[in-house]
Amino acid sequence: GDSVTQMEGPVTLSEEAFLTINCTYTATGYPSLFWYVQYPGEGLQLLLKATKADDKGSNKGFEATYRKETTSFHLEKGSVQVSDSAVYFCALILLYGGATNKLIFGTGTLLAVQP
Amino acid sequence: AAGVIQSPRHLIKEKRETATLKCYPIPRHDTVYWYQQGPGQDPQFLISFYEKMQSDKGSIPDRFSAQQFSDYHSELNMSSLELGDSALYFCASSGPGLATSSYNEQFFGPGTRLTVL
Repeated sequence: GDSVTQMEGPVTLSEEAFLTINCTYTATGYPSLFWYVQYPGEGLQLLLKATKADDKGSNKGFEATYRKETTSFHLEKGSVQVSDSAVYFCALILLYGGATNKLIFGTGTLLAVQP
Repeated sequence: AAGVIQSPRHLIKEKRETATLKCYPIPRHDTVYWYQQGPGQDPQFLISFYEKMQSDKGSIPDRFSAQQFSDYHSELNMSSLELGDSALYFCASSGPGLATSSYNEQFFGPGTRLTVL
């Protein structure tokens, strides 16, 4: 079935370090890909998305490129801040002609950034 | 800007009791989704509604039911609660209109944390 696999955490980095969180997917169709962020005690927020191969999603210094050949959507940031500490979820949606699009999430990766 | 509202934020119940979770979507959003996130797990899709009709169904137990009302708010009813039902329950909304060839972003509420003792 359709699924998302992302690297296990926690990922602990010092401020200004480079971040990579790996994400790969398995899908029966042609998915759209997303990164969601969950800050402590809060709901999920869409961080970035990409809807077709070679698209690059970017937001708040985070980037991810939709790689169809490797079925990957790795999240990167050049210089992390303490405020980036959160749980990051990779997710996909398979768009149908119907009325709804359910998100399929990976297991989440906890990022802890130390000053 | 208005966000998705969920109530209550926290709920403690005993085994075999019932619980009702409420979700108020962003104004003009007509699609509501429910997700369950167990401790240390990823959110799992339960059920969704579009224009008050069930539009998709995921891994929702038969003990659970849900509906969307004329004002587009939704309620998740959970009966015969089990310890394993302890989780964070998210509601998300999107719209307006059907998502056909494009994705309507789902906006998530803060969640209801249900603890079953």
